[in-house]
Amino acid sequence: GAGVSQSPSNKVTEKGKDVELRCDPISGHTALYWYRQSLGQGLEFLIYFQGNSAPDKSGLPSDRFSAERTGGSVSTLTIQRTQQEDSAVYLCASSHLPYRDTEAFFGQGTRLTVV
Amino acid sequence: ELKVEQNPLFLSMQEGKNYTIYCNYSTTSDRLYWYRQDPGKSLESLFVLLSNGAVKQEGRLMASLDTKARLSTLHITAAVHDLSATYFCAAGLSSGSARQLTFGSGTQLTVLP
Repeated sequence: GAGVSQSPSNKVTEKGKDVELRCDPISGHTALYWYRQSLGQGLEFLIYFQGNSAPDKSGLPSDRFSAERTGGSVSTLTIQRTQQEDSAVYLCASSHLPYRDTEAFFGQGTRLTVV
Repeated sequence: ELKVEQNPLFLSMQEGKNYTIYCNYSTTSDRLYWYRQDPGKSLESLFVLLSNGAVKQEGRLMASLDTKARLSTLHITAAVHDLSATYFCAAGLSSGSARQLTFGSGTQLTVLP
């Protein structure tokens, strides 16, 4: 597609349920990032994938969060046993590395509400 | 650990006025980005700055980078209402495979008529 696509755009879930958020990066982009943005806050880094390298998971807030990227393309962020503090907009971005002047292009985000 | 600080966090300005948003980062970075975010929308890339002294301009916005001072600025000239948005800077740190971007907290700009 022309841009980074995320689905669903909105998700309401009950506390304790598991959710899966999907990201389709721009075709050919080797780097993929997940960020979380709470209401009125900046972006919090979650995880980074680069090609076939081991992902940088240093931003994942707890072991309830996991992500995978299949075939170097689509990525899924999974949150298990959701808590109310997980409510946020989850943003995915991709970039074309290794060129230095690359920039990250963001999707529209998934707004997650845990009730 | 790379830290990025923006100031001010909130900025109200009248149309036609000039102002500057500041972005400081804590360690050596080889990339500095500015993004714009409208309410309920995702982030839109504005500028990519890659070298000391880099200056880029688009319309009423001009961004610059001083790598020695670890400072980037976003200057707004003769503001108009359409510029109201939240502006984020982000620095990139290349260490091994950890090419993550670290974002500042954002500057919420409101341009008043």
